[in-house]
Amino acid sequence: GAVVSQHPSWVICKSGTSVKIECRSLDFQATTMFWYRQFPKQSLMLMATSNEGSKATYEQGVEKDKFLINHASLTLSTLTVTSAHPEDSSFYICSARAGQGAYNSPLHFGNGTRLTVT
Amino acid sequence: AQSVAQPEDQVNVAEGNPLTVKCTYSVSGNPYLFWYVQYPNRGLQFLLKYITGDNLVKGSYGFEAEFNKSQTSFHLKKPSALVSDSALYFCAVSSGNTPLVFGKGTRLSVIA
Repeated sequence: GAVVSQHPSWVICKSGTSVKIECRSLDFQATTMFWYRQFPKQSLMLMATSNEGSKATYEQGVEKDKFLINHASLTLSTLTVTSAHPEDSSFYICSARAGQGAYNSPLHFGNGTRLTVT
Repeated sequence: AQSVAQPEDQVNVAEGNPLTVKCTYSVSGNPYLFWYVQYPNRGLQFLLKYITGDNLVKGSYGFEAEFNKSQTSFHLKKPSALVSDSALYFCAVSSGNTPLVFGKGTRLSVIA
């Protein structure tokens, strides 16, 4: 149980184009999902908290107009990297909590999306 | 502000030997502590957590971790390492309603 599906698993795009990444909770409802970014040999950096039916909460230093987050249903959150540039190349991972979403319950992660901007 | 330290970038251990991956934390209030494992180009998999109760918690794949409040540590252990345990391990902490904060990760290499 508690499976999170992320799509696509990898994408290559040209500089200036936009890329959408989907995150779905397959067997549970998630009022809150989290988007992380991971650089090579580094830890996960929380980018934003996606809230169903309301605006996402972005971490300091993350451009909300650059990284558009939509959480239109209890099972789907999307991250759109707008006007992508090579420095946006990274590994993006989404996660969600099952149940009531309390912070003492574990996160369930998607398999990540490797974005390469050429 | 809460933080997690994983002092070792890399841990090497021979197959069959016990392994320890270290983690210390800093948090206001009672900590919720987690260990996750990441295989190449994959998301993170939950291994175990400490919320309250027994200081020794057992998790997936034979892993366990010991919560030590006085030392603010939550080291991950396994009595006998397998080659398949080779991966990147993350310790994470939250408290109350704060988002999870991850350590920088420790790469475990188990050598046959």
